[in-house]
Amino acid sequence: AQSVTQPDIHITVSEGASLELRCNYSYGATPYLFWYVQSPGQGLQLLLKYFSGDTLVQGIKGFEAEFKRSQSSFNLRKPSVHWSDAAEYFCAVGATGGNEKLTFGTGTRLTIIP
Amino acid sequence: DAGVIQSPRHEVTEMGQEVTLRCKPISGHNSLFWYRQTMMRGLELLIYFNNNVPIDDSGMPEDRFSAKMPNASFSTLKIQPSEPRDSAVYFCASSAPLLAVKETQYFGPGTRLLVL
Repeated sequence: AQSVTQPDIHITVSEGASLELRCNYSYGATPYLFWYVQSPGQGLQLLLKYFSGDTLVQGIKGFEAEFKRSQSSFNLRKPSVHWSDAAEYFCAVGATGGNEKLTFGTGTRLTIIP
Repeated sequence: DAGVIQSPRHEVTEMGQEVTLRCKPISGHNSLFWYRQTMMRGLELLIYFNNNVPIDDSGMPEDRFSAKMPNASFSTLKIQPSEPRDSAVYFCASSAPLLAVKETQYFGPGTRLLVL
């Protein structure tokens, strides 16, 4: 079965600074990988997803993520954060066998300071 | 597009009472997912349906929980009897027509349940 680890529970970043959120997965083959964002009191919204091909994936709101097979990682990055990026971020992995189940990480809460 | 609609948004009930959560998926989507989010356990998939048929209910915690999807535009998650440990935010999500994990899941705003 697949699993996801987000090692950082909470990250604080200054507005305008760069951001990297870590995600490590466990799966026997190349997985489908996703990043979702959850604003307070809201449901989850997809930022980006990776299935195959180019390992650098562009998403909405200026986010990108890079798939690194050798490190079993799919880290999320943004070159300059805005106060509106404060939210909780979830990495998720899906199996490639056709089952629709996603396994979510425990999330990383992002705080932006002025 | 109205997105995934969930009702109620908040529910406070007493232990032992029946609770029914409702979900209307995005029109045209034929996969529907129920998740539970708690601080301790994070986001857990409870059950998902494809074409109104339950495909995987391995995440349903116990017999007190049941879910139905009588038609393509409506699903319910029922807890009977409810217990304080069921307190959580329950999300419904739907995805587009292909039975493939690659399809994006669109989440509703959630129902915040508090069982006293």
